This record gives sequence, C-alpha cells and structure tokens, in this order.
Amino acid sequence: DAGVTQSPTHLIKTRGQQVTLRCSPKSGHDTVSWYQQALGQGPQFIFQYYEEEERQRGNFPDRFSGHQFPNYSSELNVNALLLGDSALYLCASSSLGELFFGEGSRLTVL
Amino acid sequence: AQRVTQPEKLLSVFKGAPVELKCNYSYSGSPELFWYVQYSRQRLQLLLRHISRESIKGFTADLNKGETSFHLKKPFAQEEDSAMYYCALRWDGDDKIIFGKGTRLHILP
Repeated sequence: DAGVTQSPTHLIKTRGQQVTLRCSPKSGHDTVSWYQQALGQGPQFIFQYYEEEERQRGNFPDRFSGHQFPNYSSELNVNALLLGDSALYLCASSSLGELFFGEGSRLTVL
Repeated sequence: AQRVTQPEKLLSVFKGAPVELKCNYSYSGSPELFWYVQYSRQRLQLLLRHISRESIKGFTADLNKGETSFHLKKPFAQEEDSAMYYCALRWDGDDKIIFGKGTRLHILP
C-alpha cells in the first residue's frame, strides 16, 4: 500500500489562475480531509469529504472547493488564486480517528 | 472558539535530558487529543493519542482537563527525537482535527 498519494508535488501559478490538486487515500479509507499549511504554521483544516459529500468545512472562502469520487479519491480546487494561497496543501485519509497524511502539494502563487 | 496552543516554537534539549513539549487547548467539552510528529523529509504522522494511553518511542502525554493541557514528555531525549511536533484536537461529536502551530524539537549532542 503506497499510503496517501498526492499530485502534483510542486506547482507554480500566477494570481487569478485556478488550480486542482489531487489525492488518493490509503487503501480502505473512505474519508479524506484537506489542510493548508503556510510556512511556519500548523495545518489548517479546509474541508472533509465522506461518501462523495463535503461533511465539514473550515474557515476558508468559497474559492476553495472540492470533490470526492466513487473510488474515494479527492480533488481540491482553488479559484482566483491570491498570493496568500501559497502554501503546502496536505491531504489526509482517516480510519478510526487517525489521520494518515500525504506528502503534500506545494503551491507557489506569483 | 476551539483552539490549540503550543507556546514554544523551538525547544532545544541536550541528549539524555528530559523533554516536555507543552500543549494547551481551549474547549469546554470532552476533546480527544493527539500528538503528531514530522521527522525530516518524512510525512506528518501520528505519534500518540490520549485515549490509547500508550508510550510511543518513550513519549507519554496525559490529558489534564483541569489545566486543559496535554503536554508531551520523555524522560531521556535521543538525537532521533529531533522533529517537528504538533498537538491536535478533535472535539466530541465532530470529525475534523485542528492543529497547533507546532514546536520544533532540537536535540543537542
């Protein structure tokens, strides 16, 4: 089992563009959470998906949206990128309350 | 608002000395507390959770509801303990886990 996998690992965008990040959960996990980690900060909860529905959402604007597919993989979409969206985006799948993290997608917005 | 506070950004400890990483939370209910760790060039992973009451890699943490704390302790630090440590919380009836800002533990030889 490769664990949680995320793609791409790094990407650079310019302000106003849109980005899609992808996540495949650990085998057997049906819940996916997304976190934003700015430099020097802890992970900030964006939202969580379960059974293809957004179950919970953190304090992020509507520019941040997501999707979960029938195979439990997930996407995070960010529209109208701002400089402040530059961060490491972490995906985590969960089982019995424990989060298993991917290595993250590092987004740089210029 | 529910919050997790880790007051130290950096903690430097000599090898063999005791370690205590502080974590305080603000929540009036019955939270579940965790410590996550990120070693150099590795992904974030669970170290321990208070409900399991285990000692992992020599680390323990006790939930003190009176002081709303969940400090991480180890009696004798080892060089391989150098890492970034995050305290995290999930409150009852909820699924999301929120994290503190983290403490970098640096073990000095």
